[in-house]
Amino acid sequence: GAGVSQTPSNKVTEKGKYVELRCDPISGHTALYWYRQSLGQGPEFLIYFQGTGAADDSGLPNDRFFAVRPEGSVSTLKIQRTERGDSAVYLCASSSGRVTEAFFGQGTRLTVV
Amino acid sequence: AQKVTQAQTEISVVEKEDVTLDCVYETRDTTYYLFWYKQPPSGELVFLIRRNSFDEQNEISGRYSWNFQKSTSSFNFTITASQVVDSAVYFCALKEGSNYKLTFGKGTLLTVNP
Repeated sequence: GAGVSQTPSNKVTEKGKYVELRCDPISGHTALYWYRQSLGQGPEFLIYFQGTGAADDSGLPNDRFFAVRPEGSVSTLKIQRTERGDSAVYLCASSSGRVTEAFFGQGTRLTVV
Repeated sequence: AQKVTQAQTEISVVEKEDVTLDCVYETRDTTYYLFWYKQPPSGELVFLIRRNSFDEQNEISGRYSWNFQKSTSSFNFTITASQVVDSAVYFCALKEGSNYKLTFGKGTLLTVNP
């Protein structure tokens, strides 16, 4: 596709439920990132993939968060036992290399009620 | 640890005014990369510019210009003759050469009034 695509655009879930957020990067981009943006804040790094492997997952807040990229393209961010504090916009980005600019998707707005 | 400070939380100007958005960064790496992104009300982060630490040359792109000064660890962004469509949140970000993560400032909300 022309840009980074994220689905769903909005997700409302009940506390304690499991959610999956999907990211389809720009074709050919080997680097993929997940960020989380809370209201009034800048995006915060969660995890970085180079190819299929998670090269840096130091930003994941706890073990309820997990992400995969099994074929080196589409990635899924998985959140178990959601909490109200997980409510935020989850942004995905991709780039052609480690130092090149990252292009962001529209984000998934997650609301935990 | 890397850090980005955007001291201006909100700026409001009248159309056609010039406006400068400040960005100050901290890093221990000698190789790093600086970025500016625009986030309009639609929410998508739009890439504007990337600068490398070894290239202090200022850059101009249309009404946009960037002033990179290593001596003051600043990477300021100026919009000349602002327009209503420039209204957005602008983020400055830093990536150290030794890792992969972009560290963002808290952003500056720019409102351009007609």
